[in-house]
Amino acid sequence: EIVLTQSPGTLSLSPGERATLSCRASQSVTSTHLAWYQQKPGQAPRLLIYGASNRATGIPDRFSGSGSGTDFTLTISRLVPEDFAVYYCQHYGSSPSWTFGQGTKVEIK
Amino acid sequence: QVQLQESGPGLVKPSETLSLTCTVSGGSIFSSSYYWGWIRQPPGKGLEWIGTIHYSGSASYNPSLKSRVTISVDTSKKQFSLKLTSVTAADTAVYYCARLIVGAWDYYAMDVWGQGTTVAVSS
Repeated sequence: EIVLTQSPGTLSLSPGERATLSCRASQSVTSTHLAWYQQKPGQAPRLLIYGASNRATGIPDRFSGSGSGTDFTLTISRLVPEDFAVYYCQHYGSSPSWTFGQGTKVEIK
Repeated sequence: QVQLQESGPGLVKPSETLSLTCTVSGGSIFSSSYYWGWIRQPPGKGLEWIGTIHYSGSASYNPSLKSRVTISVDTSKKQFSLKLTSVTAADTAVYYCARLIVGAWDYYAMDVWGQGTTVAVSS
């Protein structure tokens, strides 16, 4: 079973700053099986990125995803107030199985 | 635009069965590229995949819950359902239903989510 480890646990930044979130898989994964989600308090998760680097419908271009193998990154180029939330990476495995990372909280500094 | 809505009791007694239903609106439940799934989130914690079903009835489950979970689909009502038996306080969570992109151009992701429903397990 693949384990996804996200870092850091919490990221304290100011609006306008760049956020870089990491998701590391315990073994190499297929990039097309890697997704990122945003979750705000009291809301359901929202798909941001699929296939490691493809923005979902309606997602602003300040969000970008990259990576391959075991290391993946979600970057928010310039934070705006509504971006402060928890972010999860997710992997689909062939068992089938769907695994989430433990999340990174982006908070206002 | 597809929308999902969870429904079911908000309180379940320990050792009993948790039953939830997700209703699909604004789109078809019939697609080879989409599956339908359940995900849960205990208070203050992360997301856990429970299981997935195709409109054909083919289902898969999280191994950690497999012995207690059944997911079924009723295409005539455009609904899919979750049953979790022998619940304990550890099953207290927000339960989400979601649409899963499965294999379209080899992409896999959960692109539509219900708003979630809180289920507490308590006597």
